[in-house]
Order: sequence, then structure tokens, then C-alpha cells
Amino acid sequence: DAMVIQNPRYQVTQFGKPVTLSCSQTLNHNVMYWYQQKSSQAPKLLFHYYDKDFNNEADTPDNFQSRRPNTSFCFLDIRSPGLGDAAMYLCATSSKGQGAYEQYFGPGTRLTVT
Amino acid sequence: SQQGEEDPQALSIQEGENATMNCSYKTSINNLQWYRQNSGRGLVHLILIRSNEREKHSGRLRVTLDTSKKSSSLLITASRAADTASYFCATDFTGANNLFFGTGTRLTVIP
Repeated sequence: DAMVIQNPRYQVTQFGKPVTLSCSQTLNHNVMYWYQQKSSQAPKLLFHYYDKDFNNEADTPDNFQSRRPNTSFCFLDIRSPGLGDAAMYLCATSSKGQGAYEQYFGPGTRLTVT
Repeated sequence: SQQGEEDPQALSIQEGENATMNCSYKTSINNLQWYRQNSGRGLVHLILIRSNEREKHSGRLRVTLDTSKKSSSLLITASRAADTASYFCATDFTGANNLFFGTGTRLTVIP
């Protein structure tokens, strides 16, 4: 089945230790998104790729970076995680970028910072 | 903020009852979508309603959109325990290329 896969599902990292979360998709969608979701809150868009074009949200901290080496994969790098970065990180894809279309989400990676 | 507001924040009903959730937003939209999220999981798309549509059905789901009031409602009929989840509206604002998610309604269906 076509899907969005996130690894790992649970990640524990130490304060200040870089961490990378990964997302892959078999849907061949051209747009990939990364969201941060804290407990009982709405998903907050961090950035997205429209094909190879990177679009950063204005309030996304510099501590968060992303890479998309090809259509199928997208990575979220947190260079120096703080306690406030503990959250669920959701990857999503959609088939177009001009106007929002239905987004397909992965199961998420829950990040714990100790 | 362009984030939508949902009402109520939490809703608890008995199995078999109907559940209604409301979403309000602030600016003109192209479409509005509803998503469901089970605890600790990703979001699942439920239904999309375009700005020129007033009502849409999908199975036990009924969505209405009132662009004059900038509001939408999601009705789940004959609820089941498996409907227990958080429900989010998401708006595609005119001129934006992304979705903006509402604050969510936490639905609990008691068997």
C-alpha cells in the first residue's frame, strides 16, 4: 500500500545532541511537509518542500533544518535539541503545492529530550 | 494568527449519539478540510469541502460550510467507540499554499 513512513517512531536524545528524523513516501507526491505537534495542540508547520524548493515558515527556529535528497525521502535535523523541542513530529505529503490539497500523514515520531 | 478555532475543545457522548464539532476561521478560504487523529498517531484526512459548496456527506460524516459566517461544522452520526479521537479542521486560505490547522476537538465516545 502506498504510504508515508516515519522512522523511528520514538526517539530519545540528550539536551544539545543533534538528532535526525526521517520520512519516506511511496505516493510519489511532490510536496512534503514537516509539522511539530505538542500535547493537545494543533500541528504547527515547520517547513515544506515543493519538489526541491524549500519553504521555511517565518517562525521556525534556526535550530531546525531539513533535507530532501530525492522525491521519496525527507529528513528533519534538529541541531541542538532543547527541552522545549520535545514533541511529536509529523511528516505529510500532498500531490500538488499550488493551493492546498489533501495531505497524507505518517504515524509521527515522538521525540523526548533528556 | 490564521489558525482556526474549534468548539468545543472536548466532547463526551454515549455510543449511538450524534457528535457535532464546529470550526471558525478568519479569512477567505479555497477549501476547508477535516482530519482525525487517534492518540499518538498521525492525522487522517476525512473530508474536503470547497468554498463554493455548502454541504458534503461521506458515510456517517456530514460537513457544512458557511462562508458568510466563516464557519464549518462536522457531524458524526450514530457514533461508535472507535470514533474516539481528536478532530481538526484545516483551512486553505486564499493566497496561501499550506493548510492551517485548528485547535482540535477531543471526542470521547463511551460504549
